Amino acid sequence: NAGVMQNPRHLVRRRGQEARLRCSPMKGHSHVYWYRQLPEEGLKFMVYLQKENIIDESGMPKERFSAEFPKEGPSILRIQQVVRGDSAAYFCASSVQGAAGNEQFFGPGTRLTVL
Amino acid sequence: AQSVAQPEDQVNVAEGNPLTVKCTYSVSGNPYLFWYVQYPNRGLQFLLKYITGDNLVKGSYGFEAEFNKSQTSFHLKKPSALVSDSALYFCAVRPHGSSNTGKLIFGQGTTLQVKP
Repeated sequence: NAGVMQNPRHLVRRRGQEARLRCSPMKGHSHVYWYRQLPEEGLKFMVYLQKENIIDESGMPKERFSAEFPKEGPSILRIQQVVRGDSAAYFCASSVQGAAGNEQFFGPGTRLTVL
Repeated sequence: AQSVAQPEDQVNVAEGNPLTVKCTYSVSGNPYLFWYVQYPNRGLQFLLKYITGDNLVKGSYGFEAEFNKSQTSFHLKKPSALVSDSALYFCAVRPHGSSNTGKLIFGQGTTLQVKP
């Protein structure tokens, strides 16, 4: 059973470009979470999605960031007009259910570098 | 505000000695508590969780953690450390209640160095 898949593993963008990060949850998981890890910091929650629905986006910056989890295909975290401060590791996690004590399984992350 | 604190940036221990990585939390209601480990350039790996029941929780790779409600702590422990345990450890809490949407609140992480 493959784990959570993220691609690309490394992404380099110039300021003003768009970044698209993909996440395929574990088989049988329909809940996806995105977290951001800035250098020397812990992970910060960004958004929680179920298939075709955004459940909680309280951690998403108000501008330039969006996320989706379509009926078919991976979850996408999209960052428009990237700035240097967006450089970070972005982790996706999935779980069987969103509530209760179900642990989240993390992908290897996408390391975004903005030049 | 809900938060998790890991008061030590780094913990150093000799191989074979017991280790403790500290974690305290501040949330409303009864929390669900988790420990994850991160190796360099890798994602987080789940170690253990506390939901309810016994305060001492056993997890992967010989790790265990003790939930202490009165002290709002969930310290990670291992009786005998290995060099391969050297990594970054994160404590996380998931507030339990109607407003919870499943997100985890992480501490800032503690680097564990086990020396031969």
